[in-house]
Amino acid sequence: AQRVTQPEKLLSVFKGAPVELKCNYSYSGSPELFWYVQYSRQRLQLLLRHISRESIKGFTADLNKGETSFHLKKPFAQEEDSAMYYCALRTGGFKTIFGAGTRLFVKA
Amino acid sequence: GAVVSQHPSWVICKSGTSVKIECRSLDFQATTMFWYRQFPKQSLMLMATSNEGSKATYEQGVEKDKFLINHASLTLSTLTVTSAHPEDSSFYICSASGQGADYEQYFGPGTRLTVT
Repeated sequence: AQRVTQPEKLLSVFKGAPVELKCNYSYSGSPELFWYVQYSRQRLQLLLRHISRESIKGFTADLNKGETSFHLKKPFAQEEDSAMYYCALRTGGFKTIFGAGTRLFVKA
Repeated sequence: GAVVSQHPSWVICKSGTSVKIECRSLDFQATTMFWYRQFPKQSLMLMATSNEGSKATYEQGVEKDKFLINHASLTLSTLTVTSAHPEDSSFYICSASGQGADYEQYFGPGTRLTVT
């Protein structure tokens, strides 16, 4: 079965603290993983994708096929990082499955 | 970046009526469009995938006769909720993807439907 699991509904950290948003997936094929972010009152937008292997706004995510994980990390959280984060898996035919989302709250 | 618009942004309709939601790609040709449904504080649930000029592919459990999807052009897809009921009240989000190796999905702002 194709599934994306984000175990934390809410993650609250202090400004400057490290952040890790967890994501695990279940997919028998070759996965294509994404992180999307939704800031307050804004539309969903792509944050990063595993094939790019780039850092966006200080965030990175490494695909670990052995652990079927794609955790999102940032060494020093900023208040403007507060948002809803969705991990997503794209399967064949461009179908994208979203996790339940994690709300990140960065406290001053 | 590419822009996807939705119209209307919110709509209230009476039970039993039909409502149409439009999704447009403003500055690119959308080969594929997706329709999602999002309940409060929940994730996006894919309803259907549509390719321009073809019939939409519905996800399991989504009634194709209730949620009519038309993708008549490379810049427009419509979702019509027929004979709406209060349980159809939700946030409907479309996304569009163009051709090419990028295949990035661009999301619309969503349409909030309230059925009274």
